[in-house]
Amino acid sequence: DAGVIQSPRHEVTEMGQEVTLRCKPISGHDYLFWYRQTMMRGLELLIYFNNNVPIDDSGMPEDRFSAKMPNASFSTLKIQPSEPRDSAVYFCASSYGLAGGETQYFGPGTRLLVL
Amino acid sequence: SQQGEEDPQALSIQEGENATMNCSYKTSINNLQWYRQNSGRGLVHLILIRSNEREKHSGRLRVTLDTSKKSSSLLITASRAADTASYFCATESNTGKLIFGQGTTLQVKP
Repeated sequence: DAGVIQSPRHEVTEMGQEVTLRCKPISGHDYLFWYRQTMMRGLELLIYFNNNVPIDDSGMPEDRFSAKMPNASFSTLKIQPSEPRDSAVYFCASSYGLAGGETQYFGPGTRLLVL
Repeated sequence: SQQGEEDPQALSIQEGENATMNCSYKTSINNLQWYRQNSGRGLVHLILIRSNEREKHSGRLRVTLDTSKKSSSLLITASRAADTASYFCATESNTGKLIFGQGTTLQVKP
C-alpha cells in the first residue's frame, strides 16, 4: 500500500485566495482525520470522518474552513478565503477503527504558506 | 488545551547514550501512544500502552505508564543518529480522539 497520499506537498498562495488540500486514505480504513500543525499550537485535530460522514468538526477554526469526503478514497480540506494565519502544515491521517488504541497513519503533509 | 505536556522540549545527546522523554496528561485515559516525526514528514506510530499496563518494550524502545501520576515516559536505548526526530505522546480520549502533546525534539549527535 502506498500509504496516505496528500497533495499538493507545498502550496504558496496569496491572502484571499481559495486553497484546496487533498487526501487519499489507506484503502480499507474507515476513519479519516485532518490535522493542522504549527509551532505555536502544535498538532490540532480539525475534523474527522467515519465512513465518509463527518463526525466531529469541533476543531475547525472558522467558517472559512470546510472539509468533504465524497467517497471512501478521497477527502478535501478547503480554506476560503485564506489568511496568513492559516499558514501551517496540514496532515491527513487514516485508521481502521477509532477507540481501542487504533494506529493512525499519517500522510506526508501539505505545507501551506499564505502571503 | 493540549492533553499531553512533554518534557523536555528539546534534548541533545551523543550517539550510544539513552534518551528519556516524559509526557504528563490531565484526565483519565484509555491508552497512550507514542509517535515519531522526522523533519518534514508525517507522524509514525511507535508504540501503544494501555491504561492497565505499566511497561512495554519494542526493540530499543521502552515505555512506562503511571496512571496514578498521569504520566508516561519513552526511553530510547543506545541511541543512533537516525533517531533524531520529534517524539509525541498522544492520549486517547473517551470519544476515541487522539490528543497530541507538543513534542520533544531529540537530536542525536554522531
